[in-house]
Amino acid sequence: QVQLVQSGAEVKKPGASVKVSCKASGYTFTEYYLQWVRQAPGQGLEWMGWINPKTGTTVSAQRFQGWVTMTRDTSISTIYLELSSLKSADTAVYYCARGRARPGAFDFWGQGTMVTVSS
Amino acid sequence: EIVLTQSPGTLSLSPGERATLSCRASQSVSNTYLAWYQQKPGQAPRLLIYGTSNRATDIPDKFSGSGSGTDFTLTISRLDPEDSAVYYCQQYGSSPKTFGQGTRLEIK
Repeated sequence: QVQLVQSGAEVKKPGASVKVSCKASGYTFTEYYLQWVRQAPGQGLEWMGWINPKTGTTVSAQRFQGWVTMTRDTSISTIYLELSSLKSADTAVYYCARGRARPGAFDFWGQGTMVTVSS
Repeated sequence: EIVLTQSPGTLSLSPGERATLSCRASQSVSNTYLAWYQQKPGQAPRLLIYGTSNRATDIPDKFSGSGSGTDFTLTISRLDPEDSAVYYCQQYGSSPKTFGQGTRLEIK
């Protein structure tokens, strides 16, 4: 069965960086784009960007360009989201999700990674 | 950027009733690339509907989607307490892939 398993919760100070991982299993890793979505406490969903696991090509929403980096390691079927220069406003649950097609709705989701930014 | 506006913000209904949730786009959604998700507290979202009206795998037929252009609807029939959740629409045909702000459905 398809599974996306994310790394554990993180607590960071303002200005620091964090790297969240998402390990895929149960399907061919390179055949589906993977997305990142975040959700601040009590708020809605915000799409951040996608990565093509086959080529490593990424597209980010404009507001995340320049401080969000998406990468992948095909040898272990894992993608990464790195956030730099963290601010308290970046406190959120970060989800990875699989796009079911190109373009596609997000049919499988990771369990989420809580990132807390606090001094 | 396509802005999605969902209404109502909160919907309170009784078991057995039907819920109608609305999602309006600021511009036409290309090729009906409109999806609906259900999110319960502490859980990741779950895909219900894609392509405006196609149910995702294992989604019961009590959930149905319709619409075109800028106006879309999610209908949930035969409500039961398990349907209490926040429901989000999303357009995924244009970048950025935007979500609506959500409708909270309460079953009392």
